[in-house]
Amino acid sequence: GAGVSQTPSNKVTEKGKYVELRCDPISGHTALYWYRQSLGQGPEFLIYFQGTGAADDSGLPNDRFFAVRPEGSVSTLKIQRTERGDSAVYLCASSQTDYTYNEQFFGPGTRLTVL
Amino acid sequence: GNSVTQMEGPVTLSEEAFLTINCTYTATGYPSLFWYVQYPGEGLQLLLKATKADDKGSNKGFEATYRKETTSFHLEKGSVQVSDSAVYFCALSGGNQFYFGTGTSLTVIP
Repeated sequence: GAGVSQTPSNKVTEKGKYVELRCDPISGHTALYWYRQSLGQGPEFLIYFQGTGAADDSGLPNDRFFAVRPEGSVSTLKIQRTERGDSAVYLCASSQTDYTYNEQFFGPGTRLTVL
Repeated sequence: GNSVTQMEGPVTLSEEAFLTINCTYTATGYPSLFWYVQYPGEGLQLLLKATKADDKGSNKGFEATYRKETTSFHLEKGSVQVSDSAVYFCALSGGNQFYFGTGTSLTVIP
């Protein structure tokens, strides 16, 4: 596609439920990143994929968070037993490679609200 | 470790005023530096970048120079327009991650 797409754009769920957030990167981009952005803050790194493997998951806050990228393209961020503190905008970004000078292209985000 | 400290907002300017948004960083190694902009209702998009010391990034009248001696990457524009109203994020690329500042909200009034 023309850019990074994310679905859904909004997700409202109840505390304790399971959610999945999807990211479709720019075609041909090998690196994919997930960030979380709370109100009034900058994006905070969660996890990074190079191809199919999670190269760095040091930003995942706890074991309720998990992400996959089984075919090296689309990625899914999975959150189990959601808590109110998980409410945020979840951003996905992709880049051609993982070189530090490469621009990351961001999707519009998924706004998650946990009631 | 890596981190970015960004001037807090919000900033309100009149059209055609001069803009500076300060950004300083802490980094190991040789990071690349970026400014991203988020217009109302839109996603983050790259405004400009610099990949090594003394490089100047520029785009849409905005400029920022990578200063290793002062560990800074301040954003400047000589004459802002109403359409520049947005949130601006300074970011550092180190290792496999981007480290973002907290963002500075800019409102330009006619």
